Amino acid sequence: GAGVSQSPSNKVTEKGKDVELRCDPISGHTALYWYRQRLGQGLEFLIYFQGNSAPDKSGLPSDRFSAERTGESVSTLTIQRTQQEDSAVYLCASSKPGLAGGVNTGELFFGEGSRLTVL
Amino acid sequence: AQSVTQLDSHVSVSEGTPVLLRCNYSSSYSPSLFWYVQHPNKGLQLLLKYTSAATLVKGINGFEAEFKKSETSFHLTKPSAHMSDAAEYFCVVSDILRGGNKLVFGAGTILRVKS
Repeated sequence: GAGVSQSPSNKVTEKGKDVELRCDPISGHTALYWYRQRLGQGLEFLIYFQGNSAPDKSGLPSDRFSAERTGESVSTLTIQRTQQEDSAVYLCASSKPGLAGGVNTGELFFGEGSRLTVL
Repeated sequence: AQSVTQLDSHVSVSEGTPVLLRCNYSSSYSPSLFWYVQHPNKGLQLLLKYTSAATLVKGINGFEAEFKKSETSFHLTKPSAHMSDAAEYFCVVSDILRGGNKLVFGAGTILRVKS
C-alpha cells in the first residue's frame, strides 16, 4: 500500500483480556517502530525492528507486552492481560534505509494508530 | 542519554500573526532534530529535519526551524499562521547520525489559530 496501515483502528476490550495490534509498513522500509501515545502526552517508544537484527525492546513497559516482525513485513504488538493503564493510541512507523545503507534516514512514516480502550 | 523539552503545552495565535513553538534538547553529541505535526484524527507527518547541514532548515507549509547549538534549541517558526496550521507539534531528537535508532519525542505543543 501507499502508507503504513494499522488495524484495528479502534479496539475496546475488558480488563484481563489479550489484544493483538497489527502494522503493515511501507514496502522496502527496513525499520519499524511501535510507540504509545497516552491522552495528553507525548509519544513513548516501545520497540524497534531493523531488518533481521535483534529488536530493541528497551521501551516495553512490562513483560505483558511483546512484539514480533516477520522479516521486513508485518509486525504485531501483543498485550496480554490488559490493564486500564494500557489504554492509549498505539502508533506504528516505518523508515527506509539511510543513503549509505545506514540504519535509517530518521524520517518516520506513521500509521493512523490503533486506539485501545480497556474497560 | 537524549531528551527534548517543549516549553509550551499550548500556544494560541491569531490568523496572520507569527508562530513560535519552542524546543530545547539535551544530547551528549551532535543530534539530529525533527519537527512532526499531527492533525486531528490524522497520522504524524514530518515537517522538517536537521541533520548537521545548514542550521536554518525550511520545511513544508512555510515552517522553518533554526538549530542553535549554543542555546541547545530548535524552535519552530512561521511568519504568518493559517487556520489549517492548527494541530499538535512534536519536537524530536535522535542519535541516528551515530548509527542509533532512538527517536525521542517531546510532550507536544498544541497550536490553536484564532480567526
